[in-house]
Amino acid sequence: GESVGLHLPTLSVQEGDNSIINCAYSNSASDYFIWYKQESGKGPQFIIDIRSNMDKRQGQRVTVLLNKTVKHLSLQIAATQPGDSAVYFCAENMDSNYQLIWGAGTKLIIKP
Amino acid sequence: DAGVTQSPTHLIKTRGQHVTLRCSPISGHKSVSWYQQVLGQGPQFIFQYYEKEERGRGNFPDRFSARQFPNYSSELNVNALLLGDSALYLCASSTLTGYGNTIYFGEGSWLTVV
Repeated sequence: GESVGLHLPTLSVQEGDNSIINCAYSNSASDYFIWYKQESGKGPQFIIDIRSNMDKRQGQRVTVLLNKTVKHLSLQIAATQPGDSAVYFCAENMDSNYQLIWGAGTKLIIKP
Repeated sequence: DAGVTQSPTHLIKTRGQHVTLRCSPISGHKSVSWYQQVLGQGPQFIFQYYEKEERGRGNFPDRFSARQFPNYSSELNVNALLLGDSALYLCASSTLTGYGNTIYFGEGSWLTVV
């Protein structure tokens, strides 16, 4: 069925560098996308969202880019910090749909 | 303001038993959803409730049921527990149902079935 997936299961970056986490989605009808951060043993924490009428949205140290042509979503984290270590999930939602469809997650590891 | 609160945080049950998990949404949120997250995977949608009515159901057996109370809190019930039901059960709340409404999650209830 339709799904949201991630290209890389693990991403290792140097502290202070920028991180880019990628996500591919297959349902062209999806029109709302969310990035969540999940630390070990905790529930998912909302980071940033974007609607399909936008191609870029910025938050504090984070930027989400949406490319509808190739059905690709990315999360950019600037100046990565040790506290950014977590599993990052992208999730999609459609108008009139009540559920979030999640990818498998990317584990971000910060090297000191 | 308190976030989404869930109880219990951890519990161990035996196969065949029944379990009830509880969730209190963020104040003012009328929509509650339940997700199951198996270790190493993304969450899977189980139910959504809005204004005490079921608005969506995922691909889970009838052993799973839920309800929402007048104060918008919710319970997830699982009967005849199987080993495969061991997972983190997440509750999420939002102001409205459906598209584009930010969904906030609780810390989850860790269920171990032995």
